[in-house]
Amino acid sequence: KAGVTQTPRYLIKTRGQQVTLSCSPISGHRSVSWYQQTPGQGLQFLFEYFSETQRNKGNFPGRFSGRQFSNSRSEMNVSTLELGDSALYLCASSLVPEQGASTDTQYFGPGTRLTVL
Amino acid sequence: AQKITQTQPGMFVQEKEAVTLDCTYDTSDQSYGLFWYKQPSSGEMIFLIYQGSYDEQNATEGRYSLNFQKARKSANLVISASQLGDSAMYFCAMSDYKLSFGAGTTVTVRA
Repeated sequence: KAGVTQTPRYLIKTRGQQVTLSCSPISGHRSVSWYQQTPGQGLQFLFEYFSETQRNKGNFPGRFSGRQFSNSRSEMNVSTLELGDSALYLCASSLVPEQGASTDTQYFGPGTRLTVL
Repeated sequence: AQKITQTQPGMFVQEKEAVTLDCTYDTSDQSYGLFWYKQPSSGEMIFLIYQGSYDEQNATEGRYSLNFQKARKSANLVISASQLGDSAMYFCAMSDYKLSFGAGTTVTVRA
């Protein structure tokens, strides 16, 4: 079974631009979560989508948004890019989690490395 | 709120030896899951092992085992017979609806 895929793998943007990252989950997985990883803040949860609805959201500004399609593929968008948005963005999928289920394993993609100049 | 603490920023281990990575956690939940992930320099987060809070036995997956001490709120990862390919960053994580990660431990395996 194919793993989680993310495109593109690398992106270079300038301040003020916007960017869209894509994530295709493992076949059959219905939940997709997004994380931001930076050297200073570590790994932080952005949001989670299930059945095309955002179920949970982390503590990020409204410039960060996402969506999920009927085939469970997900995109995240960052508008008005800032230098501090430079990070590795990781997408993870899980099977069919109940809200708050603690046993569902999240499987990660290779990440998209975003550089904002 | 859940909190994960990994106190070892970096460790060196000789090839074929075992290494223990420390992880302590804090939560008020009775039901929770604990995970370990490996992140090589390529960036991908690779799932290694899972331990449920109600599991009575310590989890094992090949060369990975999790030393779960619930009363002490610790979930240490043991890697046996280290290989050069084990050199990576290792993260301990706890789940509710999301994963909360520790700061990570960098493991370098020496030949």
